[in-house]
Amino acid sequence: GAVVSQHPSWVICKSGTSVKIECRSLDFQATTMFWYRQFPKQSLMLMATSNEGSKATYEQGVEKDKFLINHASLTLSTLTVTSAHPEDSSFYICSARDSNMNTEAFFGQGTRLTVV
Amino acid sequence: QKEVEQDPGPLSVPEGAIVSLNCTYSNSAFQYFMWYRQYSRKGPELLMYTYSSGNKEDGRFTAQVDKSSKYISLFIRDSQPSDSATYLCAMKSGGGATNKLIFGTGTLLAVQP
Repeated sequence: GAVVSQHPSWVICKSGTSVKIECRSLDFQATTMFWYRQFPKQSLMLMATSNEGSKATYEQGVEKDKFLINHASLTLSTLTVTSAHPEDSSFYICSARDSNMNTEAFFGQGTRLTVV
Repeated sequence: QKEVEQDPGPLSVPEGAIVSLNCTYSNSAFQYFMWYRQYSRKGPELLMYTYSSGNKEDGRFTAQVDKSSKYISLFIRDSQPSDSATYLCAMKSGGGATNKLIFGTGTLLAVQP
């Protein structure tokens, strides 16, 4: 089956630094990828929709200058958390849309970000 | 009121039991209904995908959608300890990429050996 690879699976960074998370679709082309954030015991909250070759669409309340998204190819989207602060600590998950399916069926493994 | 409501559990059952997981929703425009399984510290894995009302069966899993009641269910037969995970329902109104997937909060299931 289709696989979405997300890297790194966990990262610890110092406050004020930036962290990049990669999301790759391994065996299909993903024109659209999605970035979610999940707090403990809470649901996945969509942060932004990433479209290959164009600017990402951010959900209300998500700072686009803080969460930079780049989708330069059909198999790779990146999320950069800039000037990270402890409140940015969370579980970030990407998903990739296979154009043959009407749902975001394939999720990455998630990235646990801890900002100290 | 949240668009999608799901009992967070935890739900603890003995091995072999039939498990019933449920979600209710308020948006009558939802047409696509999904169930995902999420193990601790992992991304969600798609289990079942249903369009509109009806039942769908896949192995030990059965998904039901009742649009008139705005109620969806996931049944797990002959539950196994390996089924222990958080189960998330999700739904959306259209098939396009612009239609957001709305998740429930997830139900934590523990199957005791």
